[in-house]
Amino acid sequence: KQEVTQIPAALSVPEGENLVLNCSFTDSAIYNLQWFRQDPGKGLTSLLLIQSSQREQTSGRLNASLDKSSGRSTLYIAASQPGDSATYLCAVNPPNFGNEKLTFGTGTRLTIIP
Amino acid sequence: GAGVSQTPSNKVTEKGKYVELRCDPISGHTALYWYRQSLGQGPEFLIYFQGTGAADDSGLPNDRFFAVRPEGSVSTLKIQRTERGDSAVYLCASSVDRNTEAFFGQGTRLTVV
Repeated sequence: KQEVTQIPAALSVPEGENLVLNCSFTDSAIYNLQWFRQDPGKGLTSLLLIQSSQREQTSGRLNASLDKSSGRSTLYIAASQPGDSATYLCAVNPPNFGNEKLTFGTGTRLTIIP
Repeated sequence: GAGVSQTPSNKVTEKGKYVELRCDPISGHTALYWYRQSLGQGPEFLIYFQGTGAADDSGLPNDRFFAVRPEGSVSTLKIQRTERGDSAVYLCASSVDRNTEAFFGQGTRLTVV
């Protein structure tokens, strides 16, 4: 059974710093890996999707990398801002399945200190 | 609509009661998913619809849970004889198809007292 782990569970950094969030998964046979953002009382917002054949994806100040063989992904946030404060979740799905088989981690709660 | 809409936002019910949670997906999205998120956990899959049919309901925890999507748009998640352990945020998502980006609603926070 696929297990997704995110460490640390919570992280606080001063505004302007660059930071890295970590995600690891036990079964390297994945189809996609996605990073989501969740704000309190709100749903999930998809940030980046990396297909298993890709090594990284970039969107603005966000860069996500994928090392499938080692079962790891990182989300890099450059020049952090208070508005980046949220819980960040990663999720993977197995080959031949789509969004219906997403396995999520428990998330990293990020606080950017002004 | 502009996004996935879920109603109600919050629902408090007594143990043993029946509840219905509604999801309005993005227009034109044929795939619809229900996930459940307990406190401090990531979302867990419940059921997936492709059009009107439940393509995969393997995540439903027991037969007290049921979901429908009769016209291939709005979906309703139904929970009978609610238990305190059913308390969670129920998330709905939709996508053009199962392999494209999924858009999530804000969720319904269900509290069973």
